[in-house]
Amino acid sequence: SFELTQPPSVSVSPGQTATITCSGDPLPKQFACWYQQKPGQAPVLVIYKDSERPSGIPERFSGSTSGTTVTLTISGVQAEDEADYYCQSADINTVVFGGGTKLTVL
Amino acid sequence: QVQLQESGPGLVKPAGTLSLTCSVSGGYISSSHWWSWVRQFPGKGLEWIGEIYATGGTKYNPSLESRVTISVDRAKNQFSLILRSVNAADRAIYFCARVDYTNSLVRWFDLWGHGTLVTVTS
Repeated sequence: SFELTQPPSVSVSPGQTATITCSGDPLPKQFACWYQQKPGQAPVLVIYKDSERPSGIPERFSGSTSGTTVTLTISGVQAEDEADYYCQSADINTVVFGGGTKLTVL
Repeated sequence: QVQLQESGPGLVKPAGTLSLTCSVSGGYISSSHWWSWVRQFPGKGLEWIGEIYATGGTKYNPSLESRVTISVDRAKNQFSLILRSVNAADRAIYFCARVDYTNSLVRWFDLWGHGTLVTVTS
């Protein structure tokens, strides 16, 4: 198995850009995706295959990758973006989630 | 619009068996996806439990494999989770989810149920 590491928390002011990172040795070879989870709700997919955005997800959400790190970027953060964000990847035997990052909109 | 809904007991006795069902509505358990169970612990961490293909093939988290069985009933449009020999550490919100993929290394959960809390208590 493998591990994915995220910062526990990120804070940003409304209108600013939030960046949330996810690091893991397999990431250069394996795609990652991102989920947004608000309190009391199920996770929602916001990015898949490193940088693809599902239909219905605002364009301010984007994903990128560099080496062993994938990054979720939220441009022009809005109050409604305050949530927990999880990265996820897979190998042939398992699926792994990062520990989650709490995004606080100040 | 496809929706998933978990159902099952919210309380399970220690050393007992947790049994949950996920009902799929607005669509069918198709061969275009895998169908999965994920749990979330009180401290918020997410853990993949396993998944099943429409034809019955399964994949399990190696750390849980000895205690887990996932099955599918296409006639009822449901898939189910059994977790044996539960203990306090199995207390979590259990989600069912649909898996989209391009290959075995590129998988993501594109649709989730609301989740159901299962507590282990005597």
